[in-house]
Amino acid sequence: AQTVTQSQPEMSVQEAETVTLSCTYDTSESDYYLFWYKQPPSRQMILVIRQEAYKQQNATENRFSVNFQKAAKSFSLKISDSQLGDAAMYFCAYRISRADKLIFGTGTRLQVFP
Amino acid sequence: NAGVMQNPRHLVRRRGQEARLRCSPMKGHSHVYWYRQLPEEGLKFMVYLQKENIIDESGMPKERFSAEFPKEGPSILRIQQVVRGDSAAYFCASSPRTLQETQYFGPGTRLLVL
Repeated sequence: AQTVTQSQPEMSVQEAETVTLSCTYDTSESDYYLFWYKQPPSRQMILVIRQEAYKQQNATENRFSVNFQKAAKSFSLKISDSQLGDAAMYFCAYRISRADKLIFGTGTRLQVFP
Repeated sequence: NAGVMQNPRHLVRRRGQEARLRCSPMKGHSHVYWYRQLPEEGLKFMVYLQKENIIDESGMPKERFSAEFPKEGPSILRIQQVVRGDSAAYFCASSPRTLQETQYFGPGTRLLVL
């Protein structure tokens, strides 16, 4: 069965500093997609970044980047120059194919201190 | 291009009543997914629909829950004879006709069962 594990229920970071959120997953598939979603207090789910498993290059989106280690089945999110608006729940998610459901981790609550 | 629309945003029902949740996908999107988020948990897949077809309902409870996506109009998630345990946030996501790996989420419907 496919599972996604986020081992950090809560994390905190000082404004302008860097923080890394961990995610591991379990799968026997070779082709899949990985995502990080942000859920602010409004509870809207916002896509932060995505990674195709067949791509060796780590995805980046402005201040957000991932460290994708396929052999280790690890997909961590790095937030650089943290801002107060980054405070939210962050969910790691996995999908086998383009037509399949997303499987989510339990989330990491990120607090940003001024 | 409007995003995924869900209504109502908040719904209060008494035990035994019916709840109807609506989802209008983004323009050009013909794939709809429903997820449920219980308090302090991640999102759990419920059902995947295309126009007039249920593709995957492996996450749907066996009783009281049903979903449809008619040829015309929004997708509907229907919960009959609601119980307190149905209180949750229900999210709809959509992806395009030509299928891309990303699902775009609506703002969710918060269901409270009294």
